[in-house]
Amino acid sequence: DQQVKQNSPSLSVQEGRISILNCDYTNSMFDYFLWYKKYPAEGPTFLISISSIKDKNEDGRFTVFLNKSAKHLSLHIVPSQPGDSAVYFCAASGWGSSNTGKLIFGQGTTLQVKP
Amino acid sequence: GAGVSQSPRYKVAKRGQDVALRCDPISGHVSLFWYQQALGQGPEFLTYFQNEAQLDKSGLPSDRFFAERPEGSVSTLKIQRTQQEDSAVYLCASSLKETQYFGPGTRLLVL
Repeated sequence: DQQVKQNSPSLSVQEGRISILNCDYTNSMFDYFLWYKKYPAEGPTFLISISSIKDKNEDGRFTVFLNKSAKHLSLHIVPSQPGDSAVYFCAASGWGSSNTGKLIFGQGTTLQVKP
Repeated sequence: GAGVSQSPRYKVAKRGQDVALRCDPISGHVSLFWYQQALGQGPEFLTYFQNEAQLDKSGLPSDRFFAERPEGSVSTLKIQRTQQEDSAVYLCASSLKETQYFGPGTRLLVL
């Protein structure tokens, strides 16, 4: 069963506009959520994270929103830049559920930012 | 200073061959994870070490997969008698707290 889902395989936005990437999860024991960005032939690069005790975390152009009741999180990138074009993975962990901190990943969303 | 490094970056193996994949975590990181990423999918958990102790190996797909971290730093993932379905990118990550930092991965192709 897919505990973390990214239902949009791809997203295309114009440079300067907002990119919104979405992620849904099913396990209520998850208490930490992360977004990673991945370029071809490279490993995932950590972008931003949020603890379940918060509903928003901001870092420069990147903001992550968490809606626990809906089991939904989103990543907002504003303004979007062509260099943001990559695959974005949502991941979740739950120390309370697995006591290892292992990450459960979504399938990824490919973002293309057009100049 | 340096991030997580992995070697080799690419490995081509004939079916039935044994392979060993190496991971050098960030210095001082207690936790080390191995993940397997198939084409077009997100990474999937294989195994977890806290220092030299392997605390979770629930994601290892078969007993052909073996991982070790004998001195609590460098880790090796070994795959015996490789099969075509083992072809994937193998990612290593290390962490001090909740955030995991990934290496570039080893792309394994089994022919």
